[in-house]
Amino acid sequence: QSVLTQPPSASGTPGQRVTISCSGSTSNIGSNTVNWYQHLPGTAPKLLIYSNNQRPSGVPDRFSGSKSGTSASLAISGLQSEDEADYYCAAWDDSLNGWVFGGGTKLTVL
Amino acid sequence: QVQLVQSGAEVKKPGASVKVSCKASGYTFTSYYMHWVRQAPGQGLEWMGIINPSGGSTSYPQNFQGRVTMTRDTSTSTVYMELSSLRSEDTAVYYCARSRDRFDYWGQGTLVTVSS
Repeated sequence: QSVLTQPPSASGTPGQRVTISCSGSTSNIGSNTVNWYQHLPGTAPKLLIYSNNQRPSGVPDRFSGSKSGTSASLAISGLQSEDEADYYCAAWDDSLNGWVFGGGTKLTVL
Repeated sequence: QVQLVQSGAEVKKPGASVKVSCKASGYTFTSYYMHWVRQAPGQGLEWMGIINPSGGSTSYPQNFQGRVTMTRDTSTSTVYMELSSLRSEDTAVYYCARSRDRFDYWGQGTLVTVSS
């Protein structure tokens, strides 16, 4: 059971906008920033969003992040087939004194 | 460019130990923390702990304390993760990941299989 809660799956058609939620508590998302990672099978996870809503260099602006209270969201607009991957949220947890991840959301592009 | 290159796949018997290496290049080794994260088959990502390559200090989550040891060799810019008393549930891909406040570069992953 992951500390951060994500829906196990999400889907959309090419060009659509999808959002993935991440729910936590006051000790993690409520107190610290959220990062998002994209993970394709057989590859290393890739940093997608950091500090709630910042994109690293090279990440398309189709990807955006937001945070409110103890929840965060990742939005992907203009969905493309190559966006099909697993997405994970992560945050530092002050009570556990460590990083915690969501269980991951498998995004399917129909 | 920043690279984290991990050692190859391992097959271990239950009760044994495994030591995985992660060689860093392309940046100042002692300027970034290094973490280990694993993913068991069909499961999500799980944080295993952190090492400060500068002084060697470590911190492990409770569920790994007593079984995991992280060390570093500054002369070769390499960090190591040793996991002992292996059980079948430790079968996973193990990743090293560099960080300050986010995991910005990851190793390619090392598959550790625990099987009798």
